[in-house]
Amino acid sequence: ETGVTQTPRHLVMGMTNKKSLKCEQHLGHNAMYWYKQSAKKPLELMFVYNFKEQTENNSVPSRFSPECPNSSHLFLHLHTLQPEDSALYLCASSRQGSYGYTFGSGTRLTVV
Amino acid sequence: AQSVAQPEDQVNVAEGNPLTVKCTYSVSGNPYLFWYVQYPNRGLQFLLKYITGDNLVKGSYGFEAEFNKSQTSFHLKKPSALVSDSALYFCAVRDRTTDSWGKLQFGAGTQVVVTP
Repeated sequence: ETGVTQTPRHLVMGMTNKKSLKCEQHLGHNAMYWYKQSAKKPLELMFVYNFKEQTENNSVPSRFSPECPNSSHLFLHLHTLQPEDSALYLCASSRQGSYGYTFGSGTRLTVV
Repeated sequence: AQSVAQPEDQVNVAEGNPLTVKCTYSVSGNPYLFWYVQYPNRGLQFLLKYITGDNLVKGSYGFEAEFNKSQTSFHLKKPSALVSDSALYFCAVRDRTTDSWGKLQFGAGTQVVVTP
């Protein structure tokens, strides 16, 4: 365990479903990130939250909706996804001024 | 702006042979540099980092990396590869001068395959 916990580990959903991914850290970090990792493609930064405020949205489609209620929790709400959204979704956290990220194990999402 | 290049999509090496994974970077200020490793269906795990000081950095599992400022490189090395080193390796850079929040820029990743 790295200290960043993602649930669920695996998720299969239909294109009309609504689901949420959860990320939790109790490392005292104050920045949290969502990344998308698709097969044979680079890591794609989706969203950045610093002190619960969204500071970056890298042109992510509106069918992905992030929520950061506090510095320890981060959600990614999913609705009307497409098959090409199938990927490994990674959460990471860091502390301002610190050197690197701590990653969760990811949620493997399959859209059918 | 900061960027990272990992010029090789895949590196193949026989077990027991030296392993090198290449990384070059570009930042406007001074860099912090990192290597992460990813096993199938897992998150990225921290291997080592260069912050300051000695250019040769030693990390987990026998890996090391050398910071070369003139060549803007931070190649990952291991003297004797193991089959269990087969994984996806990511280089990352942070511009310490301009980014107090520490946002990392990742390379595209290099798949390492170690054969028995």
